[in-house]
Amino acid sequence: QLQLQESGSGLVKPSQTLSLTCAVSGGSISSGGYSWSWIRQPPGKGLEWIGYIYHSGSTYYKSSLKSRVTISVDRSKNQFSLKLSSVTAADTAVYYCARGYGDYGDAFDIWGQGTMVTVSS
Amino acid sequence: DIQMTQSPSSVSASVGDRVTITCRASQGISSWLAWYQQKPGKAPKLLIYAASSLQSGVPSRFSGSGSGTDFTLTISSLQPEDFATYYCQQANSFPTFGGGTKVEIK
Repeated sequence: QLQLQESGSGLVKPSQTLSLTCAVSGGSISSGGYSWSWIRQPPGKGLEWIGYIYHSGSTYYKSSLKSRVTISVDRSKNQFSLKLSSVTAADTAVYYCARGYGDYGDAFDIWGQGTMVTVSS
Repeated sequence: DIQMTQSPSSVSASVGDRVTITCRASQGISSWLAWYQQKPGKAPKLLIYAASSLQSGVPSRFSGSGSGTDFTLTISSLQPEDFATYYCQQANSFPTFGGGTKVEIK
């Protein structure tokens, strides 16, 4: 059973870079037919997709975040990462990593438990 | 970006009730729609994909329908464990989510 686990700094200062990693276990991140996403949820609010990376290494980002986001993959460690630069309080949220399944129309069938990131000085 | 509008934003219902949640896309998305259930402090859980396909392990009281711009999630007989927030998500282009519908106990 594939599992995802987020890790990274829970507190980031304004203007700095948020860095998170999603470790994939029980399967390979290089398997075809899947995308690997970052999704966030501000406290008490809805879900916002940030971006994804395909097994091919191609990346796609939400347009409003594109200038600040980088998603990368480390196949040797079977994990993928998020970097979000120039953060503000508006970036405070629970950050989830999730797998998109191509056969499901890229619906997110497996999620990590989420990690809270607070932007504060 | 494709905008997803869910209604209602909240609904009060009793155990055994039939509950219907709607989701409207700002442009046609064929059948590229998913529904998720989220409980407090937990990650979302996939219920329905491709508008009407039930994810493995999800009870059959959940069903989805629709295509194009208008979609529906129906819970045929609400159970105590179904009180949660439900989100739709389009996958026709870069993913976007609806604002959520909170199903509360009446």
